[in-house]
Amino acid sequence: GQNIDQPTEMTATEGAIVQINCTYQTSGFNGLFWYQQHAGEAPTFLSYNVLDGLEEKGRFSSFLSRSKGYSYLLLKELQMKDSASYLCASVDSNYQLIWGAGTKLIIKP
Amino acid sequence: GAVVSQHPSWVICKSGTSVKIECRSLDFQATTMFWYRQFPKQSLMLMATSNEGSKATYEQGVEKDKFLINHASLTLSTLTVTSAHPEDSSFYICSARSFTGMSTEAFFGQGTRLTVV
Repeated sequence: GQNIDQPTEMTATEGAIVQINCTYQTSGFNGLFWYQQHAGEAPTFLSYNVLDGLEEKGRFSSFLSRSKGYSYLLLKELQMKDSASYLCASVDSNYQLIWGAGTKLIIKP
Repeated sequence: GAVVSQHPSWVICKSGTSVKIECRSLDFQATTMFWYRQFPKQSLMLMATSNEGSKATYEQGVEKDKFLINHASLTLSTLTVTSAHPEDSSFYICSARSFTGMSTEAFFGQGTRLTVV
């Protein structure tokens, strides 16, 4: 079956760094997305990885290891506004998005 | 990125009535749109895949007679919740995919908060 796993909730301190992990098992693989979702709002795109390695985009970076079925989202210099849910989604062989349950990130002052 | 507009943002309706939610792709043609439902503190749950000019494909457990989907044009898909009940209260989100090269990014509408009283 297809499965995406990510932690349910994480807590971090303002100004610190946090890494949110995501492991996936899908039939075929055509990339992995990370989305940010604030409560009551639609998800917004953060990153897309299809090749192994780290992609950096400002304070956010995303890493992918296809051989391990593993990705992480790295958030640096955390700000209070980063408090949100972070969803990873794998693209399977039919180009369908398989969504994780999301990781709720709580930022404390 | 591409823009997807969803309307209304929130709606309150009486039990037994029907509610229509619109999803429009404003600057690209979306041959396929997706409808999701999200309960509090839970992930997106795909309800159905809407293809322009053909019948929607519903996920297992989703009643197609209750959640009517119409995708009449390349820029508009509608979801009608018929005979709504309080348990239908949820956050409904539409999404359109833009297939550009290897990227199949999903662009989301703003979501519709439905409350059935």
